[in-house]
Amino acid sequence: AQSVTQPDIHITVSEGASLELRCNYSYGATPYLFWYVQSPGQGLQLLLKYFSGDTLVQGIKGFEAEFKRSQSSFNLRKPSVHWSDAAEYFCAFGDDNAGNNRKLIWGLGTSLAVNP
Amino acid sequence: GAGVSQSPRYKVAKRGQDVALRCDPISGHVSLFWYQQALGQGPEFLTYFQNEAQLDKSGLPSDRFFAERPEGSVSTLKIQRTQQEDSAVYLCASSLAGSYYYEQYFGPGTRLTVT
Repeated sequence: AQSVTQPDIHITVSEGASLELRCNYSYGATPYLFWYVQSPGQGLQLLLKYFSGDTLVQGIKGFEAEFKRSQSSFNLRKPSVHWSDAAEYFCAFGDDNAGNNRKLIWGLGTSLAVNP
Repeated sequence: GAGVSQSPRYKVAKRGQDVALRCDPISGHVSLFWYQQALGQGPEFLTYFQNEAQLDKSGLPSDRFFAERPEGSVSTLKIQRTQQEDSAVYLCASSLAGSYYYEQYFGPGTRLTVT
């Protein structure tokens, strides 16, 4: 079955430290891949997306993600975390073989806490 | 311009009551999605509209759930005879067109609590 796995439920990093959030997907082809961030009381905001081409994609707020087909992964990274990055992060993918549907399939999320 | 808005932001319903949740998408956005997000979970797809046509309602959990978008703009998600398991945040998203190339913009959600 198509699914997205985010192995880390909760991560705590110190401000200024590097960050990597893991995402693995199960799908028969190359999916459309997304990372969203959800801050308390805010709507989900798109950080970045991968469709094809260069496997390293840049997003907003200094985030990047790398698509690795051999590992079915799309990990999110940031070289230096800021306190304002504390939020919930969701990996999602879109199934282009779903006919008229353009629904996103989501992971359970990773909660990021940042220590000062 | 304004983003996606949802109302009410919070709704408390007694079990068995009917509720209606409203979504105002970004003006001109063709596609509209409803998702359900339970506590500690990722969003789960409920239904998808392209203009006024409901192209997919496969995620609606039961026939108590009904969604409409009669004029291709505002959408309403209605839940009849609410149950405790319906307690969740209901998210609405809109996008410019029906392709993954167009970003889905999310509203802040409606938190429904069924007592």
